[in-house]
Amino acid sequence: EDKVVQSPLSLVVHEGDTVTLNCSYEVTNFRSLLWYKQEKKAPTFLFMLTSSGIEKKSGRLSSILDKKELFSILNITATQTGDSAIYLCGVGTASKLTFGTGTRLQVTL
Amino acid sequence: NAGVTQTPKFQVLKTGQSMTLQCAQDMNHNSMYWYRQDPGMGLRLIYYSASEGTTDKGEVPNGYNVSRLNKREFSLRLESAAPSQTSVYFCASSEEVRYVSNEQFFGPGTRLTVL
Repeated sequence: EDKVVQSPLSLVVHEGDTVTLNCSYEVTNFRSLLWYKQEKKAPTFLFMLTSSGIEKKSGRLSSILDKKELFSILNITATQTGDSAIYLCGVGTASKLTFGTGTRLQVTL
Repeated sequence: NAGVTQTPKFQVLKTGQSMTLQCAQDMNHNSMYWYRQDPGMGLRLIYYSASEGTTDKGEVPNGYNVSRLNKREFSLRLESAAPSQTSVYFCASSEEVRYVSNEQFFGPGTRLTVL
C-alpha cells in the first residue's frame, strides 16, 4: 500500500522565520512528487518534482527531492502571514496521487 | 476557461437519503478524480477515472458510486448517505495518467453534512 507521511503535523512561527516542511514516502512505481498549498478552499499547485537533487524555486518557496532516501522538503523563507495554510504533499504513481495528511502552518505577527 | 467546477457547493442530507455530486472540467483532461477531505486525514481518493469509459476504486470507495458520463463530466453518487460521509468533497482532473506529469487541478469543493 502506498504511503505518504508529512511532518510536522502543525507548526506556528513568527513572521520572518524560515520553515522546513517534510514529506517522506513509500510507493510503488514512483513518477513524481507534488506540493500543494491549501488555504480555505481547493488546493493550489506549487511544485512538481521528478528528479533527485534539482531544486525548484518560486519566490520565497523552494523544494527538493531525494529519491534515494524517499523524501522531499519544502522550504519557506522570510515567512509572511499569507503563507498560513495547509501544505499537502502528493506522490504520483502510474495511476494516481497519494496524499499525506498535510502540515498546517500558522504564521503570526 | 472555468477549470474544474463542482455542484453543489453545500448540501445537508438526512441519513439514508441519496444524492449526486457533479463535476465538470473544460481543460480536455483525460483523468478525473474524487477525493474526500476530513480533519487530520488529508485528501483521500474515493474513485478515479483514468480515461473516458473507465473507473477504478481508490482508497475509500465504500458507500459511493461514480459515473464518467463523458470526457468532461465525472459524477459521484451516495446511494444511502451516512453520517460518516460528512466531509468536504473535491473533484480534480489531470492531463494524462501515464505521463510523468501528474499535476491535478482541483475544483472548489462540496461541503456535505449528513445528519
